Amino acid sequence: ETGVTQTPRHLVMGMTNKKSLKCEQHLGHNAMYWYKQSAKKPLELMFVYSLEERVENNSVPSRFSPECPNSSHLFLHLHTLQPEDSALYLCASSQEGPFVASTDTQYFGPGTRLTVL
Amino acid sequence: AQSVAQPEDQVNVAEGNPLTVKCTYSVSGNPYLFWYVQYPNRGLQFLLKYITGDNLVKGSYGFEAEFNKSQTSFHLKKPSALVSDSALYFCAVRDLYTGTASKLTFGTGTRLQVTL
Repeated sequence: ETGVTQTPRHLVMGMTNKKSLKCEQHLGHNAMYWYKQSAKKPLELMFVYSLEERVENNSVPSRFSPECPNSSHLFLHLHTLQPEDSALYLCASSQEGPFVASTDTQYFGPGTRLTVL
Repeated sequence: AQSVAQPEDQVNVAEGNPLTVKCTYSVSGNPYLFWYVQYPNRGLQFLLKYITGDNLVKGSYGFEAEFNKSQTSFHLKKPSALVSDSALYFCAVRDLYTGTASKLTFGTGTRLQVTL
């Protein structure tokens, strides 16, 4: 799993805190993704970046703010979160992006386990 | 719209026995299908994918999956299960030619428990 790394692996924060999740991919890919994984629910796609440009924002609350400074790094800035935001946050990358006729495969990082108190 | 169903929350199998994890899908166009595995405290690991061609796809760790267009299924199989195969398995689908940004839709996952 060294292709996509995520830090921190675990994070506990209060509802008034501000924190950031970091993702780095070492695969030379052009697209990066944030997913939320909650128990008993399908993975929820949150954001997609292709060549550092946001191409997808799935109605995610504004308390989640993504940043993609270059094609290798992706951040998720968190502020004033709610307890229901507690979940595993997964980063993924792929060569091209989620475009029509793309036969990309997404590769995932280990995730950050977030607990909001 | 596209969707994936994994009808079993958990599958139990004895080590050495064959295993099957079921997946059915729905897309309006051509399906692009994946299986991923997730071990405890780890991210999703890619196992295999189907785009076109042979209906039987071989992947990592001895897993294979059979694409059945008439039954809209993509079941994951392994001839002989190992205890180390115990994990959470996710099926996912994309509609290859629909839309301007084709998303990957995941199922809810099936927990595979292999016992001695």
